[in-house]
Amino acid sequence: AQSVTQLDSQVPVFEEAPVELRCNYSSSVSVYLFWYVQYPNQGLQLLLKYLSGSTLVKGINGFEAEFNKSQTSFHLRKPSVHISDTAEYFCAVSGPRGGSQGNLIFGKGTKLSVKP
Amino acid sequence: NAGVTQTPKFRVLKTGQSMTLLCAQDMNHEYMYWYRQDPGMGLRLIHYSVGEGTTAKGEVPDGYNVSRLKKQNFLLGLESAAPSQTSVYFCASSQLRGGEQYFGPGTRLTVT
Repeated sequence: AQSVTQLDSQVPVFEEAPVELRCNYSSSVSVYLFWYVQYPNQGLQLLLKYLSGSTLVKGINGFEAEFNKSQTSFHLRKPSVHISDTAEYFCAVSGPRGGSQGNLIFGKGTKLSVKP
Repeated sequence: NAGVTQTPKFRVLKTGQSMTLLCAQDMNHEYMYWYRQDPGMGLRLIHYSVGEGTTAKGEVPDGYNVSRLKKQNFLLGLESAAPSQTSVYFCASSQLRGGEQYFGPGTRLTVT
């Protein structure tokens, strides 16, 4: 069975500092990987996705993530955060398209708090 | 395009009451999903549908029923609400199985 672990439940950081949100997954098959962002009282919005190809994926709002198959990780990074990046971030994994493995499995989320 | 919409946005129920949450998408997606979000738990899949007329159980299906009579709509029903069903419910849709999902704004349900 697939699972996703987000290693930090909360990450406080000062404005303009770099940030890394960590995500590890477990799966015995090839995976697709996603990062979603949720602003307060809103739905989830896709930040970026890895389906295949280059292991460095660039997303919206200056975020990027690197797929590391050997370490089964998909960490999210931003070189300089803004106050507006304060939100909860979710890592998700899905497997091949058949059966329940095609469903997204979400991590428990990391709350990023950017302080002035 | 409106994307994925959910009604209602808020609802308060008494224990034992029933209700239906409506999800609609205008992207002609085949796959639709219902999740619940609880603090510190991430999103957990309740039920999903791989096409019109089909439904399947997810991770936490007990106490919920669903129907997909039309491709664009996915209904989530609670027959006898319990306080444990107090949560925020999200609907999502996708064109490809395992691919990017588009989320609605959510329904905040409180059961007293």
